[in-house]
Amino acid sequence: SQTIHQWPATLVQPVGSPLSLECTVEGTSNPNLYWYRQAAGRGLQLLFYSVGIGQISSEVPQNLSASRPQDRQFILSSKKLLLSDSGFYLCAWSVWGENYGYTFGSGTRLTVV
Amino acid sequence: GDSVTQMEGPVTLSEEAFLTINCTYTATGYPSLFWYVQYPGEGLQLLLKATKADDKGSNKGFEATYRKETTSFHLEKGSVQVSDSAVYFCALSLNDYKLSFGAGTTVTVRA
Repeated sequence: SQTIHQWPATLVQPVGSPLSLECTVEGTSNPNLYWYRQAAGRGLQLLFYSVGIGQISSEVPQNLSASRPQDRQFILSSKKLLLSDSGFYLCAWSVWGENYGYTFGSGTRLTVV
Repeated sequence: GDSVTQMEGPVTLSEEAFLTINCTYTATGYPSLFWYVQYPGEGLQLLLKATKADDKGSNKGFEATYRKETTSFHLEKGSVQVSDSAVYFCALSLNDYKLSFGAGTTVTVRA
């Protein structure tokens, strides 16, 4: 069965520190991978998506970057966090040709202080 | 562009009440439509979906019908429980790359 792992579950980081959030998928090959952010009291904003290794599309300009070093691994990074980077970050995957929506990870609650 | 508009919350109900959350969409083609649910502190879970006009998605007592003529996909449940308290997101997809979400509706069910 397909599963998605996202960690850590919660993170408190000081302003200016680096960030690395990791997401891995099991049980499927060549998934589409996504990073979303959910700010407090707001909807979901698509940050990045990837259709293959090394292929990253950015939806909004920001202080974050994403990488896909392996087929089922998706990493969200920042060199220097801002207060505005606080939020709930969700990783998700989907499979091309099967328009059944996404499967989401359990999320990472990031608080920048 | 393609977008989803859903009714603003928060919505507060008593147990066994009827729940409706309105969702309308704008799309250049024929999207698939979804409802996701987010329980407190968790990620999103797919609640139900419909891939073509007049399809009805259903799960856990929730239903939504894909109405092409009104470009709507309203979520309904006849008798809510406290455990249905969550944030509900309507979403559409025209391809497998992107899922466009509504802003979410917070539902609180009181005993």
